[in-house]
Amino acid sequence: DTGVSQNPRHKITKRGQNVTFRCDPISEHNRLYWYRQTLGQGPEFLTYFQNEAQLEKSRLLSDRFSAERPKGSFSTLEIQRTEQGDSAMYLCASSPTGGVEKLFFGSGTQLSVL
Amino acid sequence: GENVEQHPSTLSVQEGDSAVIKCTYSDSASNYFPWYKQELGKRPQLIIDIRSNVGEKKDQRIAVTLNKTAKHFSLHITETQPEDSAVYFCAASHLSGGGADGLTFGKGTHLIIQP
Repeated sequence: DTGVSQNPRHKITKRGQNVTFRCDPISEHNRLYWYRQTLGQGPEFLTYFQNEAQLEKSRLLSDRFSAERPKGSFSTLEIQRTEQGDSAMYLCASSPTGGVEKLFFGSGTQLSVL
Repeated sequence: GENVEQHPSTLSVQEGDSAVIKCTYSDSASNYFPWYKQELGKRPQLIIDIRSNVGEKKDQRIAVTLNKTAKHFSLHITETQPEDSAVYFCAASHLSGGGADGLTFGKGTHLIIQP
C-alpha cells in the first residue's frame, strides 16, 4: 500500500490518559499535515511539517498536544491528559507539492475519550 | 482568518440529474480551492481543484466554477450516479509558497442520489 498510513485506526481511552498516534506519509512527500474532524464537520487544520520542521500550529492545538516528525519521515501526534472534547477523527495528510495542493489523506485515527 | 461557508448541508437528487454545491469564502487572498469527497468511514479524497487564475475547470462529469469578485465557488456534478453519494467538502487556501497553507474546509454537503 503506497498511500498514507495511520495507526491505530481506533483508540478508546479514559479521560486523563495520554495517547499517541502515528502517521506514515507517502515516502516522497515532504509536507505532512495533521487535521481533526468531528462528526458533521469538515477537517480542521492542526499543524504541518516541511520535512522534520514543524512550521505552524493552529490555535486549536493546545499545550496538551505535541507533534513530531523525526528525520522527516513518519510523524506522531501525542495528546496528554485527554479530555472528552478531544474525541474526534485525527487525519494525517501528505503532499507531493510545496503546499496543500493535491493532499492525500490517511484513513484517520478515531479517538474516543470516555 | 479564512472562513468557508458551504450550502446546502444535504442535497438529494434523482439519479441522472445534476447536483450543485456552493461555497463562499471570506479571505480575498485565498487562491486555491479544492473539493474533497468522503464516503462513509473512508478518507477524504481530492476530486477536483482550481486556482484563482482560472474561472472554470472540468473533469468528465465534474466541474468547478470560481467567481473571485463575489468570493464564491461551486461544484457541479452532471448525470449523477449512485456512487456519487457521499459527503463533499469545499476548501480554500492561500498558496504563498512559504506560509502556513493550511486548508480551511466547509462543513460539508451530504449528497444523496435517489434511484
